[in-house]
Amino acid sequence: GAVVSQHPSWVICKSGTSVKIECRSLDFQATTMFWYRQFPKQSLMLMATSNEGSKATYEQGVEKDKFLINHASLTLSTLTVTSAHPEDSSFYICSARDKGNQPQHFGDGTRLSIL
Amino acid sequence: RKEVEQDPGPFNVPEGATVAFNCTYSNSASQSFFWYRQDCRKEPKLLMSVYSSGNEDGRFTAQLNRASQYISLLIRDSKLSDSATYLCVVNEPSGGSYIPTFGRGTSLIVHP
Repeated sequence: GAVVSQHPSWVICKSGTSVKIECRSLDFQATTMFWYRQFPKQSLMLMATSNEGSKATYEQGVEKDKFLINHASLTLSTLTVTSAHPEDSSFYICSARDKGNQPQHFGDGTRLSIL
Repeated sequence: RKEVEQDPGPFNVPEGATVAFNCTYSNSASQSFFWYRQDCRKEPKLLMSVYSSGNEDGRFTAQLNRASQYISLLIRDSKLSDSATYLCVVNEPSGGSYIPTFGRGTSLIVHP
């Protein structure tokens, strides 16, 4: 149980392109979803927290107009990196959680490379 | 948000060894605690939740000490496949919900 599917796994695209990443909870209701970014040999960095039906809460220093998050249902959240540039290249990982005090379960992550 | 600290290591141990990691947290209001493992270039995977009374899952034992604000993970009879980064996660109360705060991770290398 507690499977989270993230898609796509890899994205390579040109600078200026917008990229959409999907995160789905397959066998539970994800009241809360989290979006992280991880650079090589660094720890996970929380970008934003989204609750179903509400606007996402962004961490300090994360541009909400750059990283658009939608959590329209209890099983799906999307992250759109708008007008991506090479410095946005990173490993993006989502996680989902049912109740507030439960562990979160991670998607497989998306490797984004912007040329 | 307050901090969660771990010794980054690496801990370099032979197969069969017992190894222990600690993780300290600064927010005394933290409610729940977890250990995850993350392999290189992969997503974190839940290893085990940490309960107040301590809990065991095979070769892995987790303990929580609320008074001293730390959690620990003990791995017995280490296997080569245990080599990974072990992440401590603490759920901190925030605005009516809980926000997970990660430690930076402890790297474990198990060698033959």
